[in-house]
Amino acid sequence: DTEVTQTPKHLVMGMTNKKSLKCEQHMGHRAMYWYKQKAKKPPELMFVYSYEKLSINESVPSRFSPECPNSSLLNLHLHALQPEDSALYLCASSQIGRGTGELFFGEGSRLTVL
Amino acid sequence: DQQVKQNSPSLSVQEGRISILNCDYTNSMFDYFLWYKKYPAEGPTFLISISSIKDKNEDGRFTVFLNKSAKHLSLHIVPSQPGDSAVYFCAAKHGSSNTGKLIFGQGTTLQVKP
Repeated sequence: DTEVTQTPKHLVMGMTNKKSLKCEQHMGHRAMYWYKQKAKKPPELMFVYSYEKLSINESVPSRFSPECPNSSLLNLHLHALQPEDSALYLCASSQIGRGTGELFFGEGSRLTVL
Repeated sequence: DQQVKQNSPSLSVQEGRISILNCDYTNSMFDYFLWYKKYPAEGPTFLISISSIKDKNEDGRFTVFLNKSAKHLSLHIVPSQPGDSAVYFCAAKHGSSNTGKLIFGQGTTLQVKP
């Protein structure tokens, strides 16, 4: 069982909808990440939060809005998405400090934008 | 510009034999390399890593080899088991911070036949 929990597992939304993806971890990790993965492509980094503060934004369009309410939770708010935003959205967490960069991933939320 | 490349999209081996998955990279600043395994409908799980100051790291049936001059690494699985059938991603990062950006290769689908 993964220790990073993502909800919902599947989401279908229209281009005018507002929805949110949620992620929770209880490993005491103080870094949390959102990755996007399209079919037959590698995961691509979107955002990194360190100590609940946004530390990396990989030039993601503003229709994706991350939020880190506390050290265990990470949200991704979605608004006015495009069909090309359909993908698997992966949340991950890790320790902070020197290290190999090992990430613990959730199972992902598969998003379909109609 | 793909900095981490896995040129073989798929690999099929017989149970009990060796599986060798390859990965090439272009950025000489990378100092940590990781392998992740991904089953369908699950998030990637960390398998093994290697620092750029080493040329080999072993963990049970899994060994990762790094050839810095060739900018090449490989993952050896011996002996291969049917449960090893999954997609394997090579990933790399630079910088000592554990929250540095992780760059993934495209993945190689390994099938281990009984």
